[in-house]
Amino acid sequence: GAVVSQHPSRVICKSGTSVKIECRSLDFQATTMFWYRQFPKQSLMLMATSNEGSKATYEQGVEKDKFLINHASLTLSTLTVTSAHPEDSSFYICSARGLAGALSPSTDTQYFGPGTRLTVL
Amino acid sequence: KNEVEQSPQNLTAQEGEFITINCSYSVGISALHWLQQHPGGGIVSLFMLSSGKKKHGRLIATINIQEKHSSLHITASHPRDSAVYICAAQRGEGAQKLVFGQGTRLTINP
Repeated sequence: GAVVSQHPSRVICKSGTSVKIECRSLDFQATTMFWYRQFPKQSLMLMATSNEGSKATYEQGVEKDKFLINHASLTLSTLTVTSAHPEDSSFYICSARGLAGALSPSTDTQYFGPGTRLTVL
Repeated sequence: KNEVEQSPQNLTAQEGEFITINCSYSVGISALHWLQQHPGGGIVSLFMLSSGKKKHGRLIATINIQEKHSSLHITASHPRDSAVYICAAQRGEGAQKLVFGQGTRLTINP
């Protein structure tokens, strides 16, 4: 099946630093990638939708200047948490939606990455 | 009231039992997803369905569009099935956003 990777899987940083999380579709081209955040014991919340070559669309309440998203290619999207604070500590998950094609996964399915656990001290 | 509601929130059963997790939604959808999240956090997409029933191994997912209800069944449950199961509604034709239920934490004891 289609594989989505995230890097790093776990990061601990000091308050005020910036952290970049990568999301890659390994064996298919992803026209759209989604970034989610999950706090302990809670379900996933969509932060933003990222389309290759265009600006990300952020959900209400998500600060676009704090959570910078870049989707520079069909296989890579990055989320940068700028000036991270302890309240940004969370589990960040990306998912990717593929291009139609015989060798590509269904465009209707989202393939999820393994997640990145961010801890801000 | 959440747009997607799951029940039960927690479920503990013995190995071998038949498991049912329910999902009700109040919005128009183009598809309903069932996801599995293991303790480490990784998420696996189990099913995407817009009508009827799908089966994969010991897992069965059904959906009733008129009643806005879906169920996930696990036959011959096993401790390795222990995970959080999440249903998510994909809204509208061509829409890509998923609205998630709060998850059902399943524990299968040996």
